[in-house]
Amino acid sequence: NAGVTQTPKFRVLKTGQSMTLLCAQDMNHEYMYWYRQDPGMGLRLIHYSVGEGTTAKGEVPDGYNVSRLKKQNFLLGLESAAPSQTSVYFCASSYDQEGYTFGSGTRLTVV
Amino acid sequence: AQSVSQHNHHVILSEAASLELGCNYSYGGTVNLFWYVQYPGQHLQLLLKYFSGDPLVKGIKGFEAEFIKSKFSFNLRKPSVQWSDTAEYFCAVNVGGATNKLIFGTGTLLAVQP
Repeated sequence: NAGVTQTPKFRVLKTGQSMTLLCAQDMNHEYMYWYRQDPGMGLRLIHYSVGEGTTAKGEVPDGYNVSRLKKQNFLLGLESAAPSQTSVYFCASSYDQEGYTFGSGTRLTVV
Repeated sequence: AQSVSQHNHHVILSEAASLELGCNYSYGGTVNLFWYVQYPGQHLQLLLKYFSGDPLVKGIKGFEAEFIKSKFSFNLRKPSVQWSDTAEYFCAVNVGGATNKLIFGTGTLLAVQP
């Protein structure tokens, strides 16, 4: 049971560079989410998806884009990284309101 | 907009002390409530959840939480903490609907001293 897998686990970017974070789940979940975690701010929702081919903005979407071309994958893109995007990023998926499964996180540093 | 408040940002306890972490939410309708724990360097793990029924919910590792609807609260408790409970604790709310979003509080960092 892989659950939710995030790649990469760590990354250092220079300001202005782009990158894509991959989230893959093998539980056939409809809902997928991207959160960022910053000290003292908890987890804030960046974008989410309620099914294949759909995406929507969360609390803090600026500077990020997402795509969900396949049900099992949810990609988070940074087109032009900024130091303010230094954070730990968590992906989660769920089948319904009762259960959420989180990935192990991606620690991103933008210098 | 829905929100979740955790008033204790940093709690320091000695082993065997009792723990209570506060959580309040703002939403007038039906909610599902969760407590998650994040041990150092790890991802979030579910401690317990409440959907309906008995407002006193028991979770893993001796934790429990009480839902008080009139106070919009879902406080986490443990009678006797251990050093291994050192972690960050997050309260979260799901208000249902088509989006199924989980809204988190800002977290409480618990340090248990041996």
